[in-house]
Amino acid sequence: AQTVTQSQPEMSVQEAETVTLSCTYDTSESDYYLFWYKQPPSRQMILVIRQEAYKQQNATENRFSVNFQKAAKSFSLKISDSQLGDAAMYFCAYPGATNKLIFGTGTLLAVQP
Amino acid sequence: DAMVIQNPRYQVTQFGKPVTLSCSQTLNHNVMYWYQQKSSQAPKLLFHYYDKDFNNEADTPDNFQSRRPNTSFCFLDIRSPGLGDAAMYLCATSRVGGNLRETQYFGPGTRLLVL
Repeated sequence: AQTVTQSQPEMSVQEAETVTLSCTYDTSESDYYLFWYKQPPSRQMILVIRQEAYKQQNATENRFSVNFQKAAKSFSLKISDSQLGDAAMYFCAYPGATNKLIFGTGTLLAVQP
Repeated sequence: DAMVIQNPRYQVTQFGKPVTLSCSQTLNHNVMYWYQQKSSQAPKLLFHYYDKDFNNEADTPDNFQSRRPNTSFCFLDIRSPGLGDAAMYLCATSRVGGNLRETQYFGPGTRLLVL
């Protein structure tokens, strides 16, 4: 069965610092995508970054980057130069059959001024 | 440029009174999903439409139904809401076909309160 695990229920970072959120997953597929979604207090689910498993290069979107280790089935999110607006719940997600998302349990990120 | 729209944003209903939540999309995606999310939990998929084909999750209660009259619209019907159905309901869409599985885009959600 495909599973997604986020082992950090809560994290805290100082403004302008860097933080890394962890995610591991399990799948027997060889070609797939992985996603990080952000959910601020408004509860709108916002795509942060997407990684394609067949690509060796780690995805980057401005201050957000991933460390994708396919063999280890690890997909961590690094947020650089953290801002107050980054405070949110972050979900790691794997798209299963018909692209339905399998979510991790989420990591609540607090940003301290 | 709204892409996935949900109405209403907040819905209050009475115990046992049927309620319908609406989702529409301007992305022309062939798959539409409904998720239920309770506080401090990850979203839980209720069902999805792959084109016109309805796909129910095994553990989705019979109390929850869905309709998709056309590509753009999808409705979530709760026939007899209970207190335990109070949650955020998220609609999402994506394009799926063959090996193609694109990003899911979410609407802003409808927060349902059952009195």
